[in-house]
Amino acid sequence: GAVVSQHPSRVICKSGTSVKIECRSLDFQATTMFWYRQFPKKSLMLMATSNEGSKATYEQGVEKDKFLINHASLTLSTLTVTSAHPEDSSFYICSAVPTTSAVTDTQYFGPGTRLTVL
Amino acid sequence: AQSVSQHNHHVILSEAASLELGCNYSYGGTVNLFWYVQYPGQHLQLLLKYFSGDPLVKGIKGFEAEFIKSKFSFNLRKPSVQWSDTAEYFCAVNARGGADGLTFGKGTHLIIQP
Repeated sequence: GAVVSQHPSRVICKSGTSVKIECRSLDFQATTMFWYRQFPKKSLMLMATSNEGSKATYEQGVEKDKFLINHASLTLSTLTVTSAHPEDSSFYICSAVPTTSAVTDTQYFGPGTRLTVL
Repeated sequence: AQSVSQHNHHVILSEAASLELGCNYSYGGTVNLFWYVQYPGQHLQLLLKYFSGDPLVKGIKGFEAEFIKSKFSFNLRKPSVQWSDTAEYFCAVNARGGADGLTFGKGTHLIIQP
C-alpha cells in the first residue's frame, strides 16, 4: 500500500516550452502533497505544499508563476514548469500524506521525474 | 527555519562492519525526525521516524536511531551492514504539529564492499 506514482519519469523539452508533471496517490487519498527538487549531488529541496481545493504554498525563493501547482482531486497534483529554461533541469519528486494522517506524519514519495531542458 | 546537517557525505564500509551516520538539526521548536533511504534507481523509502516517546527508535532492515535532544542529534546506526545496504541515506525533519514539508540533509552515500 501507500504507492505514489509520477508521470512522466523522464522528459526532455526545448527551452521556452512548458512541461506538466503528474503526481498520483494510487491507493490512498491525499489532501496534502509536497513537491521537491533534487539537484545533482545535493539534497531534496522543498518547493511547495499542495493542498486539495486551495492554492499551493510556495517556499521562499520559488517562483509561483514559473512552477504552477494544481491539486484538483484527492489523488492528483500537477506541477507545470512554464517557459522552461536549462537551469530548470532537475529531478522533481513529489510526496503525499494520507488523508487519515496528521500532516506531519509519514510522507510517501513518488519515483521522481527527470526534466532536461535543452 | 529548520536545517539539517549530515556529517558524512561518503562512507565506505566492508560487510559486517558497524555503521553510524551522523545527523544534527537546527530548529527552535519541537520536531519530527526521519531517516529515508534511496536505493539505486528506486523511490525514497522511510527507514524510521521519531515523533515522541522512547528516543531509541527501531526501523526496518535492522536500522535504529537515537534522538538526543541536548545534542540536537538523530544518528542512524546498524550493528552489521550488508552489501544490500549500499544506498543514499537522508536525514529529514519537520515541525511537529505544523503543515510543513520536510527539510532534508544533503545525504550520505554509503557503499558496502563485499
